[in-house]
Amino acid sequence: DGGITQSPKYLFRKEGQNVTLSCEQNLNHDAMYWYRQDPGQGLRLIYYSQIVNDFQKGDIAEGYSVSREKKESFPLTVTSAQKNPTAFYLCASQEGGYTEAFFGQGTRLTVV
Amino acid sequence: GDSVTQMEGPVTLSEEAFLTINCTYTATGYPSLFWYVQYPGEGLQLLLKATKADDKGSNKGFEATYRKETTSFHLEKGSVQVSDSAVYFCALSSARANAGKSTFGDGTTLTVKP
Repeated sequence: DGGITQSPKYLFRKEGQNVTLSCEQNLNHDAMYWYRQDPGQGLRLIYYSQIVNDFQKGDIAEGYSVSREKKESFPLTVTSAQKNPTAFYLCASQEGGYTEAFFGQGTRLTVV
Repeated sequence: GDSVTQMEGPVTLSEEAFLTINCTYTATGYPSLFWYVQYPGEGLQLLLKATKADDKGSNKGFEATYRKETTSFHLEKGSVQVSDSAVYFCALSSARANAGKSTFGDGTTLTVKP
């Protein structure tokens, strides 16, 4: 079945560590997105990519980094510069404009 | 830029009650409109969509009509069930603005009590 796979489902980070969240899609979509969701809040866009080897900052990119070396993969690194990383992270993809977004199941990141 | 405004929640209803969640939008041109649902601990799932004015999207008893004149896409269900308890997001997507990215409302939490 086509879809988006995020891993791991739960992730724990120590202070000062970088961690990488995985996002893989087999929908052949060009566009991929990373969102952050805090408890009781909506979605905030971190980064997005519309084509391989290119990506743009979203609304809250500080403390995060991404790469897009393959069409299928869009990993997100939460760096030590992100002071409040505890949140639920969602990856999504779209075929293009006017189309629906497909979401992964999310990764819950907790700082310990 | 594009924006989506949803009615503020949370919304609490008794089982079999009628549901309306209001959604209005601002966009350049004629976007596609969507409702997504998010169950606890999960990602968002598409609930229904409409791609042009006067279209009605429907799924699992939920309906929403694309009203261009009022720039609205209100979600309705005639008789809610406990299993409908979730967070509902209204969204739009267009090609002209935001390079095709989806724009989401803040979400409305629905709790249905037996």
